[in-house]
Amino acid sequence: QVLLQESGPGLVRPSETLSLNCTVSGYSISTGYFWGWLRQSPGKGLEWLGTIYSSGSTFYSPSLRNRVTISLDKSKNHFSLSLTSVTASDTAVYFCARQGSGLHPDYWGRGTQVTVSS
Amino acid sequence: DIVMTQSPLSLSVAPGQTASISCKSSQSLLQRDGKTALYWYLQKPGQSPQLLMYEVSNRFAGLSDRFSGSGSGTEFTLQISRVEAEDVGVYYCMQSIELLTFGPGTKVEIK
Repeated sequence: QVLLQESGPGLVRPSETLSLNCTVSGYSISTGYFWGWLRQSPGKGLEWLGTIYSSGSTFYSPSLRNRVTISLDKSKNHFSLSLTSVTASDTAVYFCARQGSGLHPDYWGRGTQVTVSS
Repeated sequence: DIVMTQSPLSLSVAPGQTASISCKSSQSLLQRDGKTALYWYLQKPGQSPQLLMYEVSNRFAGLSDRFSGSGSGTEFTLQISRVEAEDVGVYYCMQSIELLTFGPGTKVEIK
């Protein structure tokens, strides 16, 4: 069974960088599949942020491309999200997910609440 | 960007009855390989979304056959037969032919 668990600070100051990790168990991220980050806020609903393939190639939401970076750490079997210059509008529940060949998320983490506030 | 719309946005269904949710996309979701990039998710209260259907009509991971998906091009439907209490939550459609975008969600509750 594939399990994903997000971790990271629940509070980030405006203009700083939001950093989250997603630890995967039950599957080696080196083997294949795509791995992605999504978020959910009351105002914007479910929003895809970006995806990384097991080879390391990435693609990002055009609306966030200048601020978002996703990376893999195969030795720890986890992948990470970095979102720079955050504002209150980045407040959301952040999910990591495995994505199938159709890029559809098939397994999701439980999500982690991130609040941007001073 | 491809915009996904859903109707109704909320639905109250008596146990044992059938629920039907409509999803429309602003562009065709038919891919060159003949597959259609339309997916359905259910987010139960306090949980993360879970995949129900992939490529319109394929049930994911042992999903009950009470769930069925249909449609093509830009119009799709998710039907839930013999609705049970465990079916409550918010149902989302999602497209992945051009990046990923989700519909606004349809909240299903039991009468």
